[in-house]
Amino acid sequence: SYELTQPPSVSVSPGQTARITCSGDALPKQYAHWYQQRPGQAPVLLIYKDSERPAGIPERISGSSSGTRVTLTISGVQAEDESDYYCQSGDSSGTVFFGGGTRLTVL
Amino acid sequence: QVQLQESGPGLVKPSQTLSLTCTVSGGSSSSGGHNWSWIRQHPGKGLEWIGNIYDSGTTDYNPSLKSRVTISVDRSKTQISLRLSFVTAADTAMYYCARVKEYYSDASGFEYHFDHWGRGTLVTVST
Repeated sequence: SYELTQPPSVSVSPGQTARITCSGDALPKQYAHWYQQRPGQAPVLLIYKDSERPAGIPERISGSSSGTRVTLTISGVQAEDESDYYCQSGDSSGTVFFGGGTRLTVL
Repeated sequence: QVQLQESGPGLVKPSQTLSLTCTVSGGSSSSGGHNWSWIRQHPGKGLEWIGNIYDSGTTDYNPSLKSRVTISVDRSKTQISLRLSFVTAADTAMYYCARVKEYYSDASGFEYHFDHWGRGTLVTVST
């Protein structure tokens, strides 16, 4: 079955740039979307259609796509960014898939 | 601003049916004209899509759960329901409802993302 692969963890120091990747064979044809989940909270949509930001999401959060990989970039990382991040996509049958999630640790 | 609130029993016995409701408020105060989803998260684990229900009334389900899942919308279109039959301990999870944004392209067909989520409700399957 189709899989989206994310690194389990990423660590950065405050003020640095964090990059979280998500890989999947169908990503050249299907959009990817990103969610942030703070501890004990519900997920929040951060990026949709590879690189679009919903209203209220700061510009320091961005998304990009290249081939079978999409990347979530968080610039000027702050302590409040310490969360789990999930990518999401789908296949042509309408099935939805989530990546395994990446825990961002702010050192 | 649309708000979603999940509700239902926090404890279900093995082999029984889990039944949850998601109440929609704010926005147009109706689930009509929108698409909805149920998503779950096992303790300490990642997100697992359960299924979608579209404004047309049609549904898509996770193939791994399809034989046990039913998602429906009530006639007032303010509540979305989830039923999961023959539950086991493996169904213990936080259950979220979410609003689905849908779009279509000739190249990739229908695609979806989730723009509003409820806070979730924890369901434990145990005797």
